[in-house]
Amino acid sequence: QTVVTQDPSLSVSPGGTVTLTCGLTSGSVSPLYYPSWYQQTPGQAPRTLIYSTNIRSSGVPGRFSGSILGNKAALTITAAQADDESTYYCVLYINNGVWVFGGGTRLTVL
Amino acid sequence: EVQLVESGGDLVRPGGSLRLSCAASGFIVTSDDMHWVRQAPGRGLEWISVIYSGGHTYYEDSVKGRFTLSRDFSKNTLYLQMNSLRADDTAVYYCARGSYSMYFFDYWGQGTLVTVSS
Repeated sequence: QTVVTQDPSLSVSPGGTVTLTCGLTSGSVSPLYYPSWYQQTPGQAPRTLIYSTNIRSSGVPGRFSGSILGNKAALTITAAQADDESTYYCVLYINNGVWVFGGGTRLTVL
Repeated sequence: EVQLVESGGDLVRPGGSLRLSCAASGFIVTSDDMHWVRQAPGRGLEWISVIYSGGHTYYEDSVKGRFTLSRDFSKNTLYLQMNSLRADDTAVYYCARGSYSMYFFDYWGQGTLVTVSS
């Protein structure tokens, strides 16, 4: 069974930079997993941020960027703002019509 | 403008059945890949199923054999038939449009709550 890993929580100072990562318990994340990232605030539907590793979805500020760092997918937020405080989920396309979400990273801006 | 509106969530007893609907506008539901993603209370997102534009369906293991996806072209609506419901199926269920070539979810509905409890 494929398990996608994310740090449960991270914090960043206003104006600072933070990198969230998305890994696999077995193996490395590559662009072939088409990693994508979603932002969710309580009670709201997810919002699409990044897809296919590093392509920003329409309307997403340039402060959000995606990449592969080492053996993980990464979401970097620069110039963090208070309203970036959310839970961020990555999802990987495994194969044969199966997607797996990570457990999410709760980001605190303080 | 693309919109997805889920409905059909309810309180149902364990072992019962429920059908969720996802009404689409701004695109043709049978021309795109469509997914269901759920979120149990206080938990993370969980992908559970996809119906490709060509009609093939795939399911996460925990719902395989119990949940069935279908589409109605005339109503431009996606359905999720859920049978043999269990307490751990309790969640907000989101439908999402998929991107065929990029394997991500580009539009999401607002979700509908399914509660399985006696």
